[in-house]
Amino acid sequence: AQSVAQPEDQVNVAEGNPLTVKCTYSVSGNPYLFWYVQYPNRGLQFLLKYITGDNLVKGSYGFEAEFNKSQTSFHLKKPSALVSDSALYFCAVFETGANNLFFGTGTRLTVIP
Amino acid sequence: KAGVTQTPRYLIKTRGQQVTLSCSPISGHRSVSWYQQTPGQGLQFLFEYFSETQRNKGNFPGRFSGRQFSNSRSEMNVSTLELGDSALYLCASSRNLAGGPPWDNEQFFGPGTRLTVL
Repeated sequence: AQSVAQPEDQVNVAEGNPLTVKCTYSVSGNPYLFWYVQYPNRGLQFLLKYITGDNLVKGSYGFEAEFNKSQTSFHLKKPSALVSDSALYFCAVFETGANNLFFGTGTRLTVIP
Repeated sequence: KAGVTQTPRYLIKTRGQQVTLSCSPISGHRSVSWYQQTPGQGLQFLFEYFSETQRNKGNFPGRFSGRQFSNSRSEMNVSTLELGDSALYLCASSRNLAGGPPWDNEQFFGPGTRLTVL
């Protein structure tokens, strides 16, 4: 069965420091992996995706994620956090052939000025 | 370019009633997906339509249904409402020109319809 886990409900980081939001997945086939962000009062937005190709994927707002097949992880990273990055982040996985998309429970990122 | 619009934005219904929510995708986008967001269950995928056909479906009971029209606008319907159906319902559209999975292309989300079932 497909699943995706975000082990941290809350991540706090100081402005200017690097940030990491963790995601691990479990699928039996090849995964499509995604990160979405939900800002207060601004709805859900797509950040980046991994389908095939380079393991390091670059997305919107300076975010990037690294696909690690051996560790079945897809952690979201940013070199220097901004206060405006404070939001709820969701990881998602789609298994080709399963025709369904599964979301993690979300991680609330707070960037402290 | 106008974004994804959803109507109504807020809705209050009582148990046993049915409800229809509407989603207008970005012009030129042929794929429309629906999601449910609740505090308890988080974000869950409902279904996805492309060219008036349901291509992908999540794990929801048959009370949840949808359709897509020739202009790509989509509606979802929930019959026999239950208290647990109270949620934010999100719609997203993507260009999906090649007809592959909707998530091959960036999805753009609407603001959602907040449904409260009393």
